[in-house]
Amino acid sequence: DGGITQSPKYLFRKEGQNVTLSCEQNLNHDAMYWYRQDPGQGLRLIYYSQIVNDFQKGDIAEGYSVSREKKESFPLTVTSAQKNPTAFYLCDSSIPIRGLCEQYFGPGTRLTVT
Amino acid sequence: ELKVEQNPLFLSMQEGKNYTIYCNYSTTSDRLYWYRQDPGKSLESLFVLLSNGAVKQEGRLMASLDTKARLSTLHITAAVHDLSATYFCAVDRGSTLGRLYFGRGTQLTVWP
Repeated sequence: DGGITQSPKYLFRKEGQNVTLSCEQNLNHDAMYWYRQDPGQGLRLIYYSQIVNDFQKGDIAEGYSVSREKKESFPLTVTSAQKNPTAFYLCDSSIPIRGLCEQYFGPGTRLTVT
Repeated sequence: ELKVEQNPLFLSMQEGKNYTIYCNYSTTSDRLYWYRQDPGKSLESLFVLLSNGAVKQEGRLMASLDTKARLSTLHITAAVHDLSATYFCAVDRGSTLGRLYFGRGTQLTVWP
């Protein structure tokens, strides 16, 4: 079955530690994205990548880093520089079809930093 | 700055009633997405609206798009409890397909 997976589902870290969230897809999509969701808010774009070995900052990239060494994988590192890292993180991938992008969201990772 | 504004943000309605959620956006994008999110879950795609005047319906939900007014609506007909969820609209940023800008969401509660 094709799809997009994120792991782990829940993640707990101490303040000051870096943490990496996994995002994998076997849909052969070129584009992948990371969004952050806070309670009562919509999703905000952190980083995106349209092709392997290339990625761009989104609206709230400070305190985050990404890599795109393989088409299937787009891990997100939440660094200690991110002041409020506790949030729900969603990864998605997309493919352009007939003038729009079919978006496929992963199940999400809920990160709690104390 | 691109803005996507949904209203209302909270909606409590009785089963069997009708209501409309509004989504205003400031960009010239003509690709508008509607998603549903259940508590603690990911997003489920409901509709993608591509052009002015587009109307799509699925069950008790109907979405429409007016690109001239930069307005999309999600109409709920004869609400049932299973429709309780948070609904988001999102617009494509235009220059790069797939980079979505989301509204804050409308939290819908349907009660008996």
